Amino acid sequence: AAGVIQSPRHLIKEKRETATLKCYPIPRHDTVYWYQQGPGQDPQFLISFYEKMQSDKGSIPDRFSAQQFSDYHSELNMSSLELGDSALYFCASSPRQDYEQYFGPGTRLTVT
Amino acid sequence: AQKVTQAQTEISVVEKEDVTLDCVYETRDTTYYLFWYKQPPSGELVFLIRRNSFDEQNEISGRYSWNFQKSTSSFNFTITASQVVDSAVYFCALSERETSGSRLTFGEGTQLTVNP
Repeated sequence: AAGVIQSPRHLIKEKRETATLKCYPIPRHDTVYWYQQGPGQDPQFLISFYEKMQSDKGSIPDRFSAQQFSDYHSELNMSSLELGDSALYFCASSPRQDYEQYFGPGTRLTVT
Repeated sequence: AQKVTQAQTEISVVEKEDVTLDCVYETRDTTYYLFWYKQPPSGELVFLIRRNSFDEQNEISGRYSWNFQKSTSSFNFTITASQVVDSAVYFCALSERETSGSRLTFGEGTQLTVNP
């Protein structure tokens, strides 16, 4: 069965650089979520999209932005990267809101 | 205030032992959903179960079983006859439709180590 695809899987950036993370949801899933997981921590919700519209926003820094495109893939744009942004970033998709969320393998971002 | 509490930070068992992972949640919503996810050392998050607030029926799936009790706001997870491959971090999560859309709020996770 198709799963959530995230790219890249690993990314190394320097402070103050920008990064773009991509997410391709499971086909026919209309809701996409982004989470950030720091080392040894639980995942924290960043933002979600339902039918290409932002549906909910969590503790996402103003330096980050995201969008969902017409083909339902989503991108998380991160600017002015800080050391504290180093984390595992997960994208998840769901067939409907409140249904189970299926997570991608994550993008491990390291900021040096 | 923590909405999902997993009081057990780490649990270590010997293979074939039964183990129960505790989860206590807090919500004012009448409609909510509870989940369990597994995160093995490879890092991915694997969906295990979803339960809505109106369905208190316990569920069994192979060696896994879940006990949902609204009266105590708990959603505990039991692994019967544990195996080394069960070693992972297990997260309990809550979704509150009325309060916070369908985002997942995770507990801090329980690191389960199953020793041979």
